[in-house]
Amino acid sequence: SQKIEQNSEALNIQEGKTATLTCNYTNYSPAYLQWYRQDPGRGPVFLLLIRENEKEKRKERLKVTFDTTLKQSLFHITASQPADSATYLCAHNTNAGKSTFGDGTTLTVKP
Amino acid sequence: GAGVSQSPSNKVTEKGKDVELRCDPISGHTALYWYRQSLGQGLEFLIYFQGNSAPDKSGLPSDRFSAERTGGSVSTLTIQRTQQEDSAVYLCASSLVGGPRQPQHFGDGTRLSIL
Repeated sequence: SQKIEQNSEALNIQEGKTATLTCNYTNYSPAYLQWYRQDPGRGPVFLLLIRENEKEKRKERLKVTFDTTLKQSLFHITASQPADSATYLCAHNTNAGKSTFGDGTTLTVKP
Repeated sequence: GAGVSQSPSNKVTEKGKDVELRCDPISGHTALYWYRQSLGQGLEFLIYFQGNSAPDKSGLPSDRFSAERTGGSVSTLTIQRTQQEDSAVYLCASSLVGGPRQPQHFGDGTRLSIL
């Protein structure tokens, strides 16, 4: 079955820098990958979806890439702000409805 | 509100008791998901409903867990004879339809504590 792995448990960066989070998948290449943000005590919130044949997707300060050769998606937050501090989750759903989430990377942006 | 609603938000119960968790999805959403999230961990997929049907129940951790959905809307997750390892946050999500392209909309979960 598909496995989603995200890099390191915590990422600390300075305000204004670019945060880069990694999502690696095993086995088959998913047609789509999704990225979510989760704040403490809250449910995840959907951010971006990227298709397998899309190299890059952007939304405001967010950018997601998909590299099928490396079996990897990168999630970038440019000009980071303390309000961007949260846990970011990568996910994949199958056509049969089974969802697989990574364990998440916790980002802390320091002022 | 128009979001996914879960109740109760917190539940404390004694080991061995049964608990029932409720999820009200966004109106019109045909797909509904249940997850379990232990402290500091990622989301563990439990079950998916398309309409009232759950095609794959293999994600449920044991036969003490069951879920149903009625009227294509409200869903309940029932845990019988609760154990301490059942303590976790149980999250529900819904999407317009099922499938890999659909974003999931989550509730804020039920925090279950088994004493």
